Amino acid sequence: KQEVTQIPAALSVPEGENLVLNCSFTDSAIYNLQWFRQDPGKGLTSLLLIQSSQREQTSGRLNASLDKSSGRSTLYIAASQPGDSATYLCAVLPFGNEKLTFGTGTRLTIIP
Amino acid sequence: DTEVTQTPKHLVMGMTNKKSLKCEQHMGHRAMYWYKQKAKKPPELMFVYSYEKLSINESVPSRFSPECPNSSLLNLHLHALQPEDSALYLCASSQLAGGPGDEQFFGPGTRLTVL
Repeated sequence: KQEVTQIPAALSVPEGENLVLNCSFTDSAIYNLQWFRQDPGKGLTSLLLIQSSQREQTSGRLNASLDKSSGRSTLYIAASQPGDSATYLCAVLPFGNEKLTFGTGTRLTIIP
Repeated sequence: DTEVTQTPKHLVMGMTNKKSLKCEQHMGHRAMYWYKQKAKKPPELMFVYSYEKLSINESVPSRFSPECPNSSLLNLHLHALQPEDSALYLCASSQLAGGPGDEQFFGPGTRLTVL
C-alpha cells in the first residue's frame, strides 16, 4: 500500500530565504507526482506535475524534483514571500490507479 | 481556462434536509472527482466518474449520492446527513482518470455544516 509522508508538518522561515519542502513515498510504481498549495478554507491549487519519466519541473520561483528510486520529491521555493504562506501537499498517482495518494502536508509560514 | 467551479460556497443544513452540491468544468476533462476534507487533514477521495460513469466509490454512505448528468457537470446529492459529515467538499477534474500526464485541478470547495 502506497504511503506518502511530508516532513516537517510545519515550517517558518524569514522572507527572502530559499527553502525546500520534502515528500517521501514508499512505492516507486507511480504515474506521476503532483504538488499543490492550499490556503486556509480554500481549494487546492496545482503547482507542478512531474511525470514518472521526468526528473524535475519548474514554474517561476518553484522547482520540483523527483527521484523515484529513492522514493523522494522536493519542492524548492526561491526568494520566499509572505504570499507563499500556505499548506503544501504532495500526492502520487500509483500505476494502474485512478486514486491520488496524498501526503499530510507541510504548513509553511513566511515571516515578513 | 483551467477553472473548476463549485456552488454553493457555504451550506448549512439540518439532518433531515435534502440539498445538492454542484461542480462544473469546461476544460473538456473526462474524469471528475468528489473529495471530503476535514480540518488539518488531506483530502479523502469519495467518488470518481470516468466518461460519465461511476468508476470508484470509496465505500461512501448512501446518504451521499453522486450524479454526472454530462461530461461538464457533477452533482453530489445530500440527504439525512450527520453532524460528523460537516467538512469542506472538493470537486476536481482531470483529462482522464489515471495516466502519466493526468493532472487534477480542484475547485474552491463547498463548506458544509450539518446541524
